Amino acid sequence: AQSVAQPEDQVNVAEGNPLTVKCTYSVSGNPYLFWYVQYPNRGLQFLLKYITGDNLVKGSYGFEAEFNKSQTSFHLKKPSALVSDSALYFCAVRDPNTGGFKTIFGAGTRLFVKA
Amino acid sequence: NAGVTQTPKFRVLKTGQSMTLLCAQDMNHEYMYWYRQDPGMGLRLIHYSVGEGTTAKGEVPDGYNVSRLKKQNFLLGLESAAPSQTSVYFCATSVGGFGQPQHFGDGTRLSIL
Repeated sequence: AQSVAQPEDQVNVAEGNPLTVKCTYSVSGNPYLFWYVQYPNRGLQFLLKYITGDNLVKGSYGFEAEFNKSQTSFHLKKPSALVSDSALYFCAVRDPNTGGFKTIFGAGTRLFVKA
Repeated sequence: NAGVTQTPKFRVLKTGQSMTLLCAQDMNHEYMYWYRQDPGMGLRLIHYSVGEGTTAKGEVPDGYNVSRLKKQNFLLGLESAAPSQTSVYFCATSVGGFGQPQHFGDGTRLSIL
């Protein structure tokens, strides 16, 4: 069965420091992987995705993510955190073997960036 | 360009009442989805549609019905509201499946007393 795990409920980082938000997944085939961000009282916004190719993908607002097939991970990273990055982050996966349109979301990780 | 618009934004219902949530999109996307978001559980798929006139069950469909009579609208109905349906409901759209990202509305906050 498909699943997504975000092992940290909250990540705290100081402004200017690098940040990492962790995600591991379990699917039967080659996954389509996504990161979304949610600000208070708003819907989710797409940040970046991995389909195939280069294991390091770049997305919006300076975020990037590294796909590691052997560790089944897709960690979100940013070299220098901003206070405005404080939000709820969701990792998501689609398994092409199940039609490719059902998305499984992780439980979310709250990022808090301190000035 | 409004994107995905959900109405209403807030609603309080009594147990047993019924209501319909409306999702409207102006992006001409084929796929539309209804999710519920509960604390610590991420988003769970209720129903989805891969085109006008088609609907299918998702992960947690019990107690909900949907219709997609027009391509731009996707309606979610609660037949007889229960306190367990207190949640934030999100509509999303996508051009297609697989690698296409989803576009979300800002949600409907629903409380069932």
